[in-house]
This record gives sequence, C-alpha cells and structure tokens, in this order.
Amino acid sequence: DAGVIQSPRHEVTEMGQEVTLRCKPISGHDYLFWYRQTMMRGLELLIYFNNNVPIDDSGMPEDRFSAKMPNASFSTLKIQPSEPRDSAVYFCASNVRGPTEAFFGQGTRLTVV
Amino acid sequence: AQSVTQLGSHVSVSEGALVLLRCNYSSSVPPYLFWYVQYPNQGLQLLLKYTSAATLVKGINGFEAEFKKSETSFHLTKPSAHMSDAAEYFCAVSVGGSQGNLIFGKGTKLSVKP
Repeated sequence: DAGVIQSPRHEVTEMGQEVTLRCKPISGHDYLFWYRQTMMRGLELLIYFNNNVPIDDSGMPEDRFSAKMPNASFSTLKIQPSEPRDSAVYFCASNVRGPTEAFFGQGTRLTVV
Repeated sequence: AQSVTQLGSHVSVSEGALVLLRCNYSSSVPPYLFWYVQYPNQGLQLLLKYTSAATLVKGINGFEAEFKKSETSFHLTKPSAHMSDAAEYFCAVSVGGSQGNLIFGKGTKLSVKP
C-alpha cells in the first residue's frame, strides 16, 4: 500500500487566497484525521471523519476552515481566505479504528505570505 | 483534563550512548500513552503504546518505555543510539482510552553525534 497520500507537499500562497489541501487515505481505513503542526502550538487535531461523516470538528480554528470527505478515498481541507497565521504543516492520517494508532501522510507545508 | 509535558525540546547524545527522552502526563482517568517518531519531512509513526497492560512497553527500533504511575511518567529509552534515530519524538495521551483523541506533547528533537 502506498500509505496516506497528501498533495501538494508544499504550498505558498498570498494572504486572502483560497487554499485546498488534499488527502487520499489508506484503502479500507474508515477513519480520517486532519492535524495541524506549528512551532507555537505543536500538533493539534482539527477534525476527523468516520465513514465519510465528520464526527468532531471542535479543533477547526475558524469558519475560514472547512473540510469535506465526499467519498472513502478522498478528503479536502480548505482555507478561505488564508492568513499568514495559517502557515503550518498540515497532516492527514487514517486508520481502521480511532486516532491512537493512525497512519500519517507526509504533510503539506503551507506558507501564507 | 489530560495533558503531557516533554522535558527538553532538544536532546543530543553520542552514537552508542543511552537515549532518555522524558514525558510526564496528567490524567484524571487511567491513561493510554503513546510515543511517536517524526523523521525529517515525514509524518508521525507510532513507536509504542501503553494501554494498561505491562508497565514496560517495547516498541520498534529498540525503543522501550516504562509507565510509572507514582511518578506520572512515561519516559522513552534506548540503550544504544544509532545515527538513524535522529528525529523528533512526541509523547501523547489519549483522552478516551484506546479510541480517544490524542493530546500531543510539544516534542523533543533528538540529535545523534558520531
């Protein structure tokens, strides 16, 4: 299996632009998680899905952030409009159970200038 | 509320030396504890986990950790460091048992000198 695949690996965008991060989970995994990693706050869970349904989005920082999972093999995290403080590494992870043993993708490094 | 504190944001050891990365937790219920490793430009990978069975837990790559309730600690050790161990290590506690969400520590970056 190719593992969790995220794209793009790096994204540089200007403040105010829309940014879409993409994730393909491991086939057969019915849990999908989006995390954000920053120097200041460390690793934070933003949202997670079970069977394509959002279960807990309490970590989503603002309404500018939204996430969708239209099918079992694809999820997006969108930021609109983006701000410099959104600069971080965003990880997607998937698992057959909960988050405690999830498999992580390589992350998307987002820089908003 | 559950939380973890990792002592030392950066630890440097010589190749062949003992690796000791410290983690203390706070939990109102019996905790489930985890260590993850993040290699440069990679996602996190589970090293080992404690889920209320044996207090000494063995993980991948020769790492192990001991759960000490009296000290609220879950320190990660490896007897002999390899250059390939250079990475960032995260301690985490689950807020809902084996299926709960994870609260991560801030991480400890391990450097290994030749």
